[in-house]
Amino acid sequence: DAMVIQNPRYQVTQFGKPVTLSCSQTLNHNVMYWYQQKSSQAPKLLFHYYDKDFNNEADTPDNFQSRRPNTSFCFLDIRSPGLGDAAMYLCATTRTSGTGDTQYFGPGTRLTVL
Amino acid sequence: RKEVEQDPGPFNVPEGATVAFNCTYSNSASQSFFWYRQDCRKEPKLLMSVYSSGNEDGRFTAQLNRASQYISLLIRDSKLSDSATYLCVVSSGGSYIPTFGRGTSLIVHP
Repeated sequence: DAMVIQNPRYQVTQFGKPVTLSCSQTLNHNVMYWYQQKSSQAPKLLFHYYDKDFNNEADTPDNFQSRRPNTSFCFLDIRSPGLGDAAMYLCATTRTSGTGDTQYFGPGTRLTVL
Repeated sequence: RKEVEQDPGPFNVPEGATVAFNCTYSNSASQSFFWYRQDCRKEPKLLMSVYSSGNEDGRFTAQLNRASQYISLLIRDSKLSDSATYLCVVSSGGSYIPTFGRGTSLIVHP
């Protein structure tokens, strides 16, 4: 059974046209993350939620926003996608336990910007 | 210096070979270590956690060397299905923000 679900799996948008990616989880984990991954690169953390607390990475462009309306759902909004935003967007979750915690990843949304 | 460094490879090995990857980390406060496997165009999936005493899961053995600040992954009797990118992931004590290496690509050929 899928535990971290991402929709859509593939998204094509036009340059400058806003897009929203969604993530849901059935694990009841308190932390949710959004990563951007480009070919042959490590996943790059964009932001994360610890419960309802939003944490933005310093180098995440303002073009990227996120919402977490409840424990299960998290959204990534790209307000004006540029060609450089074409990438795989990965959602991940974890339950904090005070020690290093395993992350569970969704299947990703592959974004194409035309 | 990057926080987590891996040789990107690719490592190109025949079936049945033994192959080893290393990953070095710069933060001496690091406490938790993982190897993830990522297939082409798929999400990373946990392969194994790395414990201080080392751990083994079938053909896979992971080890930690705190003194030299590296972790290793050994794959014995390589299978075609082992072809993937192996990501080294490190986090410091109490942190839930892990740091990823860029991954090491393994290609197992017949």
